[in-house]
Amino acid sequence: SQQGEEDPQALSIQEGENATMNCSYKTSINNLQWYRQNSGRGLVHLILIRSNEREKHSGRLRVTLDTSKKSSSLLITASRAADTASYFCATDENSGYALNFGKGTSLLVTP
Amino acid sequence: DAGVIQSPRHEVTEMGQEVTLRCKPISGHDYLFWYRQTMMRGLELLIYFNNNVPIDDSGMPEDRFSAKMPNASFSTLKIQPSEPRDSAVYFCASNRGGGHEQYFGPGTRLTVT
Repeated sequence: SQQGEEDPQALSIQEGENATMNCSYKTSINNLQWYRQNSGRGLVHLILIRSNEREKHSGRLRVTLDTSKKSSSLLITASRAADTASYFCATDENSGYALNFGKGTSLLVTP
Repeated sequence: DAGVIQSPRHEVTEMGQEVTLRCKPISGHDYLFWYRQTMMRGLELLIYFNNNVPIDDSGMPEDRFSAKMPNASFSTLKIQPSEPRDSAVYFCASNRGGGHEQYFGPGTRLTVT
């Protein structure tokens, strides 16, 4: 069953701009992960944030987690054309092993 | 490491035929996951294994679907008989367990006509 739901479904920006994607979920989690999928490829892990963390950085990526609102955001700063992809959030079941993926945000970065 | 390996990359078959998808996880990963991705339903977890044992197969849509993991380095997902609505991209992923990132294979694009 889908738990993470991304917003917006699609986002179009120009190179150099920041891109923000949001994810909402319904039940308690141990961690939340963000993945990227380029067209025709498998998913690639970007970042994992645990339920006791509020913010995490990795290069140009910044992820926040608000467990009280059951929401997370992914910020990509200074976007590049190569960032064009679909971005998914994934939450773990209470067992911590299976992941539930949202339907993703499709990001288009134009030069 | 070569990453998660899936074969075939593309499969086109006729309705009613048996389809077998294959996956080799990353060495040392104890967990293996099978997902299906469609435009309508997104990415769905079908089944996952821990140490070659199926743990949760509640996502397997019907009895036509079956999955096995005879050893730590090989898993199969079989559809028999296949139907057009099974057309999707099937991904295999592996990891070291809960709280760890999953590593995805390139996927198998299945088309059932």
